Amino acid sequence: DGGITQSPKYLFRKEGQNVTLSCEQNLNHDAMYWYRQDPGQGLRLIYYSQIVNDFQKGDIAEGYSVSREKKESFPLTVTSAQKNPTAFYLCASRGWASTDTQYFGPGTRLTVL
Amino acid sequence: AQSVAQPEDQVNVAEGNPLTVKCTYSVSGNPYLFWYVQYPNRGLQFLLKYITGDNLVKGSYGFEAEFNKSQTSFHLKKPSALVSDSALYFCAVLGGGGNKLTFGTGTQLKVEL
Repeated sequence: DGGITQSPKYLFRKEGQNVTLSCEQNLNHDAMYWYRQDPGQGLRLIYYSQIVNDFQKGDIAEGYSVSREKKESFPLTVTSAQKNPTAFYLCASRGWASTDTQYFGPGTRLTVL
Repeated sequence: AQSVAQPEDQVNVAEGNPLTVKCTYSVSGNPYLFWYVQYPNRGLQFLLKYITGDNLVKGSYGFEAEFNKSQTSFHLKKPSALVSDSALYFCAVLGGGGNKLTFGTGTQLKVEL
């Protein structure tokens, strides 16, 4: 996990609220990713960013938004439009080359009450 | 589109015995393959990857994987399992123009005394 921090570790949200999950890396990596993990479904890509001020939708972007204003930071906002947000959220980063290894943060567990 | 199949939801093995966790893939172009391990409520830890070269890839904690192009497989192996190897294992393939990792659904490995 080292080099990538995610906060908070646990997050509780009421229905209708937006919440923002933090992801910071000190690895000087260019690319950053957000995944959602649900039991039995593996990891699914939400958004990714290859450079500052640019990002692309992944496979399940609806109800989520991101920003990439700094190389080190890639926050994810879970909006009220996300119908089933309860999940484990993982942030990852990798170096410049596409075949570089993606390294993961420790994750944030979001629960909607 | 690329895909990964991990046909076994769970693998049970006795400590000291060899273990194999199976993975098959589908991707257009050259296959770039990864194995990760996840302990409960933690992020994913990188084990090993195949990019090119020797079909037998050695990784962390005594794990290795064998790339077989004709069978489109990338099975994870360890000669002698430890109880501490008990965890969730994910196989992944790089696709999407080199920007996206597609993950399998994971295999729960249980090593018993």
